[in-house]
Amino acid sequence: DIQMTQSPSSLSASLGDRVTITCRASQSINTYLNWYQQKPGKAPKLLIYAASSLQSGVPSRFSGSGSGTDFTLTISSLQPEDFATYCCQQSYRIPYTFGQGTKLEIK
Amino acid sequence: QLQLQESGPGLVKPSETLSLTCTVSGGSISSSSSHWDWIRQPPGKGLEWIVSMYYSGNTYYNPSLKSRVSISVDTSKNQFSLNLSSVTVADTAVYFCTRRPYGVSYYWFDPWGQGTLVTVSS
Repeated sequence: DIQMTQSPSSLSASLGDRVTITCRASQSINTYLNWYQQKPGKAPKLLIYAASSLQSGVPSRFSGSGSGTDFTLTISSLQPEDFATYCCQQSYRIPYTFGQGTKLEIK
Repeated sequence: QLQLQESGPGLVKPSETLSLTCTVSGGSISSSSSHWDWIRQPPGKGLEWIVSMYYSGNTYYNPSLKSRVSISVDTSKNQFSLNLSSVTVADTAVYFCTRRPYGVSYYWFDPWGQGTLVTVSS
């Protein structure tokens, strides 16, 4: 299985901050990488697919980059509704696997 | 707008079979553009992909669960179902159904059902 490792596992930030979350794959996955946002008690919500494509309806303050094994999710200016858990997922090879999540909290 | 909704027992005894159904609305489960998947999340832990199916029969399994998983589709009810046999407490999780696009170069999961908590306990 392809292991997905996120860092940090948790992060404290303030409104308006620029935040970057990293995801590393255990082998090259080209750009077969998706990002999701999950709030407590809710289903994950797709933010970014194919490493850098913004899902329809997702604010432009979210962006993704990377290829191969290293990827980043950036939130350019944190809004109150952005405090949540973020996870990456590879779609390069079955079984599809997810990172363990990064919890973004208010400082 | 495509919507998915899970249903099934919230409590299952160890060694028994967990059975869940996902009802799809706002679109057809026989769509040529969709796979239908199950994903689970143990309390406080990360997401684990379980299985994916195409309405015509192609099915893909997580090897770690393959021996215990079966999936079926009922096109007349626009539903697909998951059975997980011989459950243990380690199978306690929130189970999500979701859609994955078919026939494209990249895959992602969207939309998702709200999830249903299944607890394995005697």
